Parts: sequence; structure tokens; C-alpha cells
Amino acid sequence: SQQGEEDPQALSIQEGENATMNCSYKTSINNLQWYRQNSGRGLVHLILIRSNEREKHSGRLRVTLDTSKKSSSLLITASRAADTASYFCATDAMNDKIIFGKGTRLHILP
Amino acid sequence: DAGVIQSPRHEVTEMGQEVTLRCKPISGHNSLFWYRQTMMRGLELLIYFNNNVPIDDSGMPEDRFSAKMPNASFSTLKIQPSEPRDSAVYFCASGQQGGNEKLFFGSGTQLSVL
Repeated sequence: SQQGEEDPQALSIQEGENATMNCSYKTSINNLQWYRQNSGRGLVHLILIRSNEREKHSGRLRVTLDTSKKSSSLLITASRAADTASYFCATDAMNDKIIFGKGTRLHILP
Repeated sequence: DAGVIQSPRHEVTEMGQEVTLRCKPISGHNSLFWYRQTMMRGLELLIYFNNNVPIDDSGMPEDRFSAKMPNASFSTLKIQPSEPRDSAVYFCASGQQGGNEKLFFGSGTQLSVL
């Protein structure tokens, strides 16, 4: 069963603009992670935010977490063509299960 | 470190045949996850191991699927007999339990069952 749900399912923006993706989940978590997947490749970890954190930054990435709303957002600032990929949120449920959402397909237009 | 290594990279087989997918996790990692990815269903967790012990196999779709981890450096996912609806990309990922469980993924096995 899916724990996280990203939205939008697909997003196209101009290079240089900011991209925001959202994730909602159902049950209590210890932490939430964001991953990136380029076409035909495995997923790559981007950033992890713990349940007691509200915001975290890594380079051009900014992640927020609202445990009261069971939601998170991933912001990519000053997007580049190389940011074109699918982005997934992942949550740890009971027994350290790590469950992924269906992802947001991000396309950066030149 | 070579990362998580999966083999084969691609597998084409006929319905009814046995398929074995292999995974070598990163040395020192003590958790291993098998996922299946399709357009329709996204990334589904099939089974995961901690310290070579299966913890949760509730995502394994049917008895045709089985997974083993005989030691810390090797795991297999077997489908017997295979069916066309098993066609998907199968990923193995490993992590360090207790280390906030950041996962490292292999390149996946693209399985096509004809």
C-alpha cells in the first residue's frame, strides 16, 4: 500500500524557475526522505528530514515538513535542465518499512 | 565502493519460466529492500531484510515470489513460474538500520515476461 502521495503527478517549468512538489502521507513517521530518479536509473537519495524538524536545506533544495498536516514539500530553486527527473517522497512506517509514493515527473524546459 | 550491484540488468523470459534476480548490497549495510516499479503501481515494497532476516514480506504479491538472504552480501528474488504481469523493473536497495535508513539503490533489473 502507498504511504506517500506526491502532487502534482507531472510538472513542467522554465529553466531558472522554482519547482515545488508536495507529498502527503497517512500514518505517523520517524522521518521523511526525498529521492530523485533519472530515466532508466535507480533512485538517488536527496535529503532526509526528521519528524521533529520543520525545514531543511541542501544546496538548491529546501524541504519542509508539517506533521500536523502529514505533508511535506520539496522546493528546487533556480531549476536547471539537469533537474529533469522524477522525484519521490519516502516515509518510514512501522518496523522500519520504507514506503515510496508514485512520484512527480519534473520537466525543465530550456 | 561499487554501490549496490544487481544482476542481470535485463531479463527476457517466457511465461512459466523461473526467474532469479540477484543483489549484492553495500558492504556494512544491514538492511536490504526489494522493490518493484511499474507505471501503473509506482514503487511497491516487496520484502525487506534486517541482518539477513526477512522482517516484512507482506508486499510479495503471490506465492510465486520468494526471496532469500543467505548472508550479508547476497540476496535473491525468485519468481516461479513467471507470468506476463510480473514484467516490471525490480530494484534492490540497501541501508544502515539505525542510520536514519537512507537507502542506496541498484540500477535495477528490467524484467520482461512474454
